[in-house]
Amino acid sequence: SAVISQKPSRDICQRGTSLTIQCQVDSQVTMMFWYRQQPGQSLTLIATANQGSEATYESGFVIDKFPISRPNLTFSTLTVSNMSPEDSSIYLCSVEEGGASTDTQYFGPGTRLTVL
Amino acid sequence: QKEVEQNSGPLSVPEGAIASLNCTYSDRVSQSFFWYRQYSGKSPELIMSIYSNGDKEDGRFTAQLNKASQYVSLLIRDSQPSDSATYLCALNRNGNKLVFGAGTILRVKS
Repeated sequence: SAVISQKPSRDICQRGTSLTIQCQVDSQVTMMFWYRQQPGQSLTLIATANQGSEATYESGFVIDKFPISRPNLTFSTLTVSNMSPEDSSIYLCSVEEGGASTDTQYFGPGTRLTVL
Repeated sequence: QKEVEQNSGPLSVPEGAIASLNCTYSDRVSQSFFWYRQYSGKSPELIMSIYSNGDKEDGRFTAQLNKASQYVSLLIRDSQPSDSATYLCALNRNGNKLVFGAGTILRVKS
């Protein structure tokens, strides 16, 4: 499977600021995804990052709060804007591998964000 | 009703026993199912994927899928303390969107 890295691995931020999280893959992938895992909770999909087009956001997530870039097939960024303590979570990127009927997602190591 | 339901546990089993983890889902259209293991402070790691009714075995792990009854299970044979983790059941909806259950905490006691 692809090797996925994320930067930063963790950060502590002040309320009202923004943080950009980077996701790098060692091979070209078509589909990249961003998830959030709030403390003690399971994973929730934020958006699908499409190369060359706008990201597709899930219900409850908006571009102004979570702008996403996907400049090429190996890289994506997620920005958490105007942060509040409720944004304290682990943010994970994932990539999809496999054919249309056997799609499998592999996750990066995650970015642990604490907002004070 | 949640789309993917799991018992949160914790499920405690003695070392060497079989751990049985269960998951039910509501969307009959789902075709792809996955089990991920997540250690505390780590990201989810894929253990098994299953797409057809029946059993799929990989080492000590067996995934079982019953689409008619809408459940997926994961059996871990010869459980080890290193298997202690949260196990997440997920299904693939709308082609490429993973929907996760809340996860089951497994504790294997030595």
